[in-house]
Amino acid sequence: GAVVSQHPSWVICKSGTSVKIECRSLDFQATTMFWYRQFPKQSLMLMATSNEGSKATYEQGVEKDKFLINHASLTLSTLTVTSAHPEDSSFYICSATEENIQYFGAGTRLSVL
Amino acid sequence: QKEVEQNSGPLSVPEGAIASLNCTYSDRGSQSFFWYRQYSGKSPELIMFIYSNGDKEDGRFTAQLNKASQYVSLLIRDSQPSDSATYLCAATTGGFKTIFGAGTRLFVKA
Repeated sequence: GAVVSQHPSWVICKSGTSVKIECRSLDFQATTMFWYRQFPKQSLMLMATSNEGSKATYEQGVEKDKFLINHASLTLSTLTVTSAHPEDSSFYICSATEENIQYFGAGTRLSVL
Repeated sequence: QKEVEQNSGPLSVPEGAIASLNCTYSDRGSQSFFWYRQYSGKSPELIMFIYSNGDKEDGRFTAQLNKASQYVSLLIRDSQPSDSATYLCAATTGGFKTIFGAGTRLFVKA
């Protein structure tokens, strides 16, 4: 199957700083990528749909000014958590679709101190 | 609201038994159905996908789809402790949006 690379896998940052997470489709082009957040023992929560060359579509309740998404190329989408706070600590997972199948990156565990 | 429903479990089966995981979906326009496995602390990985009514087998896994009943299932034969994970069912709607269920936790007892 298709491979989606996500980096970094783990990041610790101080409260008030910004963190950028990268998601790359390695062997295919992805016009659409997705960003999820998952808290411990809870289900995946779709945050936003990232569209190459256009603005991301955010799910209800997700602050677009806090979670900045850029999808500048067919193989790269980035999620920037701006002015991170401890409540933003979570597991962030991206995915990309090839032939109608979603493939997931390995996830990024964010800890905000 | 389009939904995918799963029993949260936990489902506990002894090693070597058949584990049966079930899922229902609300959008009759759904075309594609997926099962993902997620180990604790890891991201989901695709196990199987199914598009047509009936059964689809891949090794120890069998996916079953019944569009009339809006029902998808996953059977795991000869369950192993390494199969212990959360299994996510997903359906792609007619609008090409993928909806995930909340997952069923499976424990396989050695």
